[in-house]
Amino acid sequence: EAGVAQSPRYKIIEKRQSVAFWCNPISGHATLYWYQQILGQGPKLLIQFQNNGVVDDSQLPKDRFSAERLKGVDSTLKIQPAKLEDSAVYLCASSLEPQGVGPQGTQYFGPGTRLTVL
Amino acid sequence: DQQVKQNSPSLSVQEGRISILNCDYTNSMFDYFLWYKKYPAEGPTFLISISSIKDKNEDGRFTVFLNKSAKHLSLHIVPSQPGDSAVYFCAASVTGDGNKLVFGAGTILRVKS
Repeated sequence: EAGVAQSPRYKIIEKRQSVAFWCNPISGHATLYWYQQILGQGPKLLIQFQNNGVVDDSQLPKDRFSAERLKGVDSTLKIQPAKLEDSAVYLCASSLEPQGVGPQGTQYFGPGTRLTVL
Repeated sequence: DQQVKQNSPSLSVQEGRISILNCDYTNSMFDYFLWYKKYPAEGPTFLISISSIKDKNEDGRFTVFLNKSAKHLSLHIVPSQPGDSAVYFCAASVTGDGNKLVFGAGTILRVKS
């Protein structure tokens, strides 16, 4: 079974530029998550989708970040304009179901995209 | 406000010995806890979990202990192997809250051969 795919793996941009990340979850997984992991910290949830609807985006900086999952499968996360503090690894994860207890809710992570903002 | 804390940034253990990684939480609503393992340039991979109705869960060399009164959990790896060298993240969630995970900052485990 193929895992969660993410691209690009690395991206370097200058501040005020825009950037987009792509994620393809495990086939059949209805729930998709985007996390931000700043160096030295644990992943922090940015947004959660159930199929193509947003379940939680309370920690997404909506003035500059946006995300979509139009057909309920793959997803893109965009930052526009980028700031220095956006330098981080952006992780995408998926789970079969949204509820956390038990194997159905286990989140599987992609390799992440490392973003450097200069 | 860090709801999940891993106070040891790193741990070094000799091969064959026990590794004990600790995690504390402050939110008493958390009722499901997980450990993830992360190698460099890879995403975190699920290792083991425990529900708050249990105080211990075992899977091969990995055992997680939960002390609800102390709001503390620990991951024991016995025996430790060099391939266990990685970053270990503790995470917690509230059942019915959409599977949102709150992660600790991680502990780097080095197993020396």
